[in-house]
Amino acid sequence: EPEVTQTPSHQVTQMGQEVILRCVPISNHLYFYWYRQILGQKVEFLVSFYNNEISEKSEIFDDQFSVERPDGSNFTLKIRSTKLEDSAMYFCASRTGRSTEAFFGQGTRLTVV
Amino acid sequence: AQSVTQLDSQVPVFEEAPVELRCNYSSSVSVYLFWYVQYPNQGLQLLLKYLSGSTLVKGINGFEAEFNKSQTSFHLRKPSVHISDTAEYFCAVTPGNYGQNFVFGPGTRLSVLP
Repeated sequence: EPEVTQTPSHQVTQMGQEVILRCVPISNHLYFYWYRQILGQKVEFLVSFYNNEISEKSEIFDDQFSVERPDGSNFTLKIRSTKLEDSAMYFCASRTGRSTEAFFGQGTRLTVV
Repeated sequence: AQSVTQLDSQVPVFEEAPVELRCNYSSSVSVYLFWYVQYPNQGLQLLLKYLSGSTLVKGINGFEAEFNKSQTSFHLRKPSVHISDTAEYFCAVTPGNYGQNFVFGPGTRLSVLP
């Protein structure tokens, strides 16, 4: 069964460092998303991406965040200068243009120290 | 804009007992509704979804949910829970347009006790 793959599963970084979280969505999907879940809290929408551009973003997704689909298969989330409050589980998701459910990856746990 | 409320943050229940996890939503447009489950230290797995048609939908692991448009609810039920059902359950909605993002509720932690 096809699945969304995220790497790494856990990343520890120092405050102020740049991190890139990687995702490989399901191959025939067209819509891509990043969500985050701070420990013990709700799943929050960050950004959606379609047709090689951001289609929607939340207020969380400020100038420190960026997304890219560099090679037609990977979908990355970059945080330029990490803060302690960026520590969270980050989920990538994808969906086709013809179905409505999103398939989520297993997540990357980001710990900023 | 859409919002989702899950009134019960925690639900403890004994094994083999029935359970209902409540979900209410608000939206000015028609929505699709979903329940996702998150087992400890894992990602989000789709349990079931309501798109259209019959208001009673069945999902994996013996779960079902009923869409009630007048009450804007989508409660999740299971007639007999197992220890393995212990997890966090999230209700989510998305507008009836492809590509729109999902809005999640705060989650309900189901703890099944022996």
